[in-house]
Amino acid sequence: DIQMTQSPSSLSASVGDRVTITCRASQDIYNYLAWFQQKPGKAPKSLIYAASSLQSGVPSKFSGSGSETDFTLTISSLQPEDFATYYCQQYDNYPYTFGQGTKLEIK
Amino acid sequence: EVHLVESGGGVERPGGSLRLSCEASGFSFDDFDMNWVRQVPGKGLEWVLGINWNGDKIGYADSVKGRFTISRDNAKNRLYLQMNSLRAEDTALYYCARGMYMDVWGKGATVAVSS
Repeated sequence: DIQMTQSPSSLSASVGDRVTITCRASQDIYNYLAWFQQKPGKAPKSLIYAASSLQSGVPSKFSGSGSETDFTLTISSLQPEDFATYYCQQYDNYPYTFGQGTKLEIK
Repeated sequence: EVHLVESGGGVERPGGSLRLSCEASGFSFDDFDMNWVRQVPGKGLEWVLGINWNGDKIGYADSVKGRFTISRDNAKNRLYLQMNSLRAEDTALYYCARGMYMDVWGKGATVAVSS
């Protein structure tokens, strides 16, 4: 199975900051990588697919990059509504797998 | 508007069975793969099972292999999760999600396994 490792597990940042979350796959997944945002008590929300394609309606402050095994999610100009938990997920092969999550907290 | 609505959750004893259903609306259901993802409260997301558009390709997480099955009825726009031999560690919120990269999610159905 493909293992997905996110770092950091938690991150403190201030409103207005730019932050980057990384996700590493245990083998080449090409660009079959998605990113999700989840707020407490809510279902996950799709942000990015195919490593760098923004889902419809998602603000351009979110961006993704990477290929093969190394990927990043960057969030620019943090606003209060961006503080949440973020997950990566590979869909190259079954079983699909998620990273363990990165909790973004207000400093 | 695109919607996924899960139903069928509840409380069951270890060793018992439950069947979840996910009703899709607002899109052509048979154009998409579908998935079940679960989440223990306070923990991360765990992909559980996936099925392609016509049901001839299915994937399982090791944690549920041999106990859980996924199926779909495209005529009824429904996805199903049959859970047998339930264990305490299957207690979670179960989401259905659309497509390989899960662009649409339901609100989830709670499954609690307890004696």
